[in-house]
Amino acid sequence: EVQLVESGGGLVQPGGSLRLSCAASGFTFSSYAMSWVRQAPGKGLEWVSAISGSGSTTYYADSVKGRFTISRDNSQNTQYLQMNSLRAEDTAVYFCAKRACSTTGCADDYWGQGAQVTVSS
Amino acid sequence: EIVLTQSPGTLSLSPGERATLSCRASQSVSSSYLAWYQQKPGQAPRLLIYSASSRATGIPDRFSGSGSGTDFTLTITRLEPEDFAVYYCQQSDKSPRTFGQGTKVEIK
Repeated sequence: EVQLVESGGGLVQPGGSLRLSCAASGFTFSSYAMSWVRQAPGKGLEWVSAISGSGSTTYYADSVKGRFTISRDNSQNTQYLQMNSLRAEDTAVYFCAKRACSTTGCADDYWGQGAQVTVSS
Repeated sequence: EIVLTQSPGTLSLSPGERATLSCRASQSVSSSYLAWYQQKPGQAPRLLIYSASSRATGIPDRFSGSGSGTDFTLTITRLEPEDFAVYYCQQSDKSPRTFGQGTKVEIK
């Protein structure tokens, strides 16, 4: 059974830092790209970042580029999101998602339950 | 970036009725990278449809997806009580990946 479990969320002051973790199980972690998607209170889904299975290629939304860093440790079956220079508008639930690709296309087929990040003084 | 516009914003229907949700892209999207997700309050999104028209594992056949280019549709043929939720389309053809703003399907 595929499981994705986020941790590391919490309350942080503006300008502060936080590191989210996503522990994966039930699949060959290194074979799959992974993503982070966030959802601000009462709002829709916003893609944040993605990383290839090897970790060699990363992608970022413009809203977080230069402040957030995605990484993964395939020996620990875990991906991370290092968030620096946090702003109030980064307040959201952050979801970890596994990307699956078939011969017909790709999508995020499994999601974690999310980690709450609140940026406030 | 590719903007996805979903309509309507809210759909008020009764159980047993048919729901038709639209997702329009600001530029052409490869069908291979168009997906639909369902989200219920307090829960993570769940993949329903990938590659515009392929049902994900375990998704009932009352859910179907269609479309190409800039116009995509999610259809729920007969609404069950558990189908009342928010639905999002997503494109991952071009970076940055983007989501539509969502369509809420509510009980009439």
